[in-house]
Amino acid sequence: QKEVEQNSGPLSVPEGAIASLNCTYSDRGSQSFFWYRQYSGKSPELIMSIYSNGDKEDGRFTAQLNKASQYVSLLIRDSQPSDSATYLCAVTGGYNKLIFGAGTRLAVHP
Amino acid sequence: KAGVTQTPRYLIKTRGQQVTLSCSPISGHRSVSWYQQTPGQGLQFLFEYFSETQRNKGNFPGRFSGRQFSNSRSEMNVSTLELGDSALYLCASSQRRGATDTQYFGPGTRLTVL
Repeated sequence: QKEVEQNSGPLSVPEGAIASLNCTYSDRGSQSFFWYRQYSGKSPELIMSIYSNGDKEDGRFTAQLNKASQYVSLLIRDSQPSDSATYLCAVTGGYNKLIFGAGTRLAVHP
Repeated sequence: KAGVTQTPRYLIKTRGQQVTLSCSPISGHRSVSWYQQTPGQGLQFLFEYFSETQRNKGNFPGRFSGRQFSNSRSEMNVSTLELGDSALYLCASSQRRGATDTQYFGPGTRLTVL
């Protein structure tokens, strides 16, 4: 079993819709969770961090964490074509060690 | 504030050679982590340095090594290059000492081994 699992996609949504990205992790001791966005040929860019159970909102983005279910999600409201990218879920695994999922490709079509 | 910088951005080497990559963290950040990204394995952690000390290491062979200088700049070295070492090498910096600090990535060094 992989430590951090994501659906590879592509997840295709129409412009203006809500995109829902999901991630599960195996280490119950994990404390910090991150979502990064990576455009093709570029480096990962931090979108959200979340540490406590529940929801955290930042603009059009909402991260949700459920430690009991070992589940993290990212909702993108009012999706735009510029949101088309690969979204990486990451979980901490020791001193500044991030364990990444394989990423979900999101395609937002006009 | 300037972001994380990495040099060189692109590198072509042949099998058996060695390579050194450089990373300058965001000003004030003292932790530097290195990652390898390949299409097959995704993003994998190599090692992390804080105050010139390696605190964490991933599952890579000893050919991969690194160090950090007193100004927090870091280098990683790969000796006896193999074709499979072709990858995007990313460094990330974070500010605090703790285990859960947010990491910010540099643009990466694209290494091609022929």
